[in-house]
Amino acid sequence: AQTVTQSQPEMSVQEAETVTLSCTYDTSENNYYLFWYKQPPSRQMILVIRQEAYKQQNATENRFSVNFQKAAKSFSLKISDSQLGDTAMYFCAFMNAGGTSYGKLTFGQGTILTVHP
Amino acid sequence: DGGITQSPKYLFRKEGQNVTLSCEQNLNHDAMYWYRQDPGQGLRLIYYSQIVNDFQKGDIAEGYSVSREKKESFPLTVTSAQKNPTAFYLCASSMRGGGWPVQFFGPGTRLTVL
Repeated sequence: AQTVTQSQPEMSVQEAETVTLSCTYDTSENNYYLFWYKQPPSRQMILVIRQEAYKQQNATENRFSVNFQKAAKSFSLKISDSQLGDTAMYFCAFMNAGGTSYGKLTFGQGTILTVHP
Repeated sequence: DGGITQSPKYLFRKEGQNVTLSCEQNLNHDAMYWYRQDPGQGLRLIYYSQIVNDFQKGDIAEGYSVSREKKESFPLTVTSAQKNPTAFYLCASSMRGGGWPVQFFGPGTRLTVL
């Protein structure tokens, strides 16, 4: 079974600064997907960024980028120019690309990020 | 507007009662999922359905039941057998097969057992 670990329960950052959230995972699969979701105080889950394991290039979405290290099974999220609206809980998630567990997301425990003015 | 709706937003249940949480989507997605979220924990999969009239147990299915009679709907029943049902419940849907298997989430239902 896959596991996802987020070792930082809480993080804080000043507005306009950069912050990196950590995520590691454990799997014996070679092809899979990784995601970062954001859950603001409204509790609506929002997709932030996604990565396919067979693509070595790190995904970017505007101020959000990832550092995907497949050999180390690490998938960190970098938020640049942090904004007050980035305050949320962030979840790292893993999904197999095939097999019987295709479509099933395994989530980490989450990291609460607070952006201070 | 396309999206996923969950109702009710808040639900209170007395011990020993069954309750049903509604999840509807108009995204024409084949797959639908139910997750449970407890404080300080990530989301855990309860049940999922890849096609109509078929569903599979997730990691924490005990005390829950589902049905998938229509593509758009995937209701979750929390039965009296669920020992600790107070939690936040999230429904999600995704395309099945081909392309990105991104899951989109509804706004959630907060269930409290009195």
